[in-house]
Amino acid sequence: GAVVSQHPSRVICKSGTSVKIECRSLDFQATTMFWYRQFPKQSLMLMATSNEGSKATYEQGVEKDKFLINHASLTLSTLTVTSAHPEDSSFYICSARVEAGLNTEAFFGQGTRLTVV
Amino acid sequence: AQTVTQSQPEMSVQEAETVTLSCTYDTSESDYYLFWYKQPPSRQMILVIRQEAYKQQNATENRFSVNFQKAAKSFSLKISDSQLGDAAMYFCAYSSYSGNTPLVFGKGTRLSVIA
Repeated sequence: GAVVSQHPSRVICKSGTSVKIECRSLDFQATTMFWYRQFPKQSLMLMATSNEGSKATYEQGVEKDKFLINHASLTLSTLTVTSAHPEDSSFYICSARVEAGLNTEAFFGQGTRLTVV
Repeated sequence: AQTVTQSQPEMSVQEAETVTLSCTYDTSESDYYLFWYKQPPSRQMILVIRQEAYKQQNATENRFSVNFQKAAKSFSLKISDSQLGDAAMYFCAYSSYSGNTPLVFGKGTRLSVIA
């Protein structure tokens, strides 16, 4: 199946710094990617929809200035957590769907565990 | 907006036995997709099974099968001959027919497999 690669898998950063997370579709083009956040023992919460060549669409309650999303190419979307604070510590997962044909399976990156100290 | 409800936060099953995980959803759409995803301790999301709403036949994938009741908006997952490797979080998910929309997830069911 299609592959979505997400890096880094783990990152620890100091409070007040910024962290960039990359999400790449390795063998297909993705005009749209999705960013989720998952708290421990909870479900995936959609943060934003990343659109290639245009602004991301953020879900209600998600600070767009805190979570900057850039989708500069058909295979790469990035999520930058700016001025990170301990409450931003979480598991972040990206996803993309193959849009051609009947294969509408969503493929997920490996996830990034962010710890802000 | 669509919603997905998983009413069983935790389930357990004896190895080699059968277990059924429940899922209900709410939508006003007539065409859509339903999924079951597995999330093991590695936290990698793995597709278990997919069902297209327009198909009356229940999807099956080896030991995994679903009971899709469109009128009741129910989509349960049956795992037969449970194995230790089946232990994980299981998420039921809904998707609109369009390929560019995100999945809507239920809260998940944590499945334990007892040896």
